[in-house]
Amino acid sequence: QSVLTQPPSVSAAPGQKVTISCSGSSSNIGNNYVSWYQQLPGTPPKLLSYDNDKRPSGIPDRFSASKSGTSATLDITGLQTGDEADYYCGAWDSSLYAVVFGGGTKLTVL
Amino acid sequence: EAQLVESGGGLLQPGGSLRLSCVGSGFTFSNYWIHWVRQAPGKGLVWVARISTDGSSTTYGDSVRGRFTISRDNAKNTLYLQMNSLRAEDTAVYYCAKGGTYYYMDVWGKGTTVTVSS
Repeated sequence: QSVLTQPPSVSAAPGQKVTISCSGSSSNIGNNYVSWYQQLPGTPPKLLSYDNDKRPSGIPDRFSASKSGTSATLDITGLQTGDEADYYCGAWDSSLYAVVFGGGTKLTVL
Repeated sequence: EAQLVESGGGLLQPGGSLRLSCVGSGFTFSNYWIHWVRQAPGKGLVWVARISTDGSSTTYGDSVRGRFTISRDNAKNTLYLQMNSLRAEDTAVYYCAKGGTYYYMDVWGKGTTVTVSS
């Protein structure tokens, strides 16, 4: 059972938009920055977003993240088949004194 | 380009020990906190440990505290993870990752596989 809660899977058609949610508590998302990672099959995770809503250089603006209260979301617009991957949210947990991740969400582009 | 390369994984029996290494290049290794993160087969990411720039501060996840030790040698641009009293549930791909300002990880290695089985 992960500290951060994500839906196990989401799906949408190419060109459409999908939203992946990440729910936590005041000890993690509520009072600390959220990051998002993309893991394509057979590859290491890749940073998609950090500090709640910032994108590293090279990440297309089709990927946008936000945070409100104790929840965070990752929006992906203009879906492409190459976006099929597992997506993870992460944050520092001030009570556990540890980095915590969501269980991951598998994105299928139909 | 910043890179991290892990090594040292292998197959060993429960109760055994192993030391993983992670060499950094393309960035000033000594300026960054570094993390270990693991991923069991077919499962999600689990944070293992982190170490401060000079090695003076370390933090561990509950599942490894007391059994694993993270350390670094900045002169060699190398991070280590000493793993003792290994259990079957430690079986995973172990990634090292360069830390960002607020606990995110912006550069990941390709990982090294540890299998604990009798």
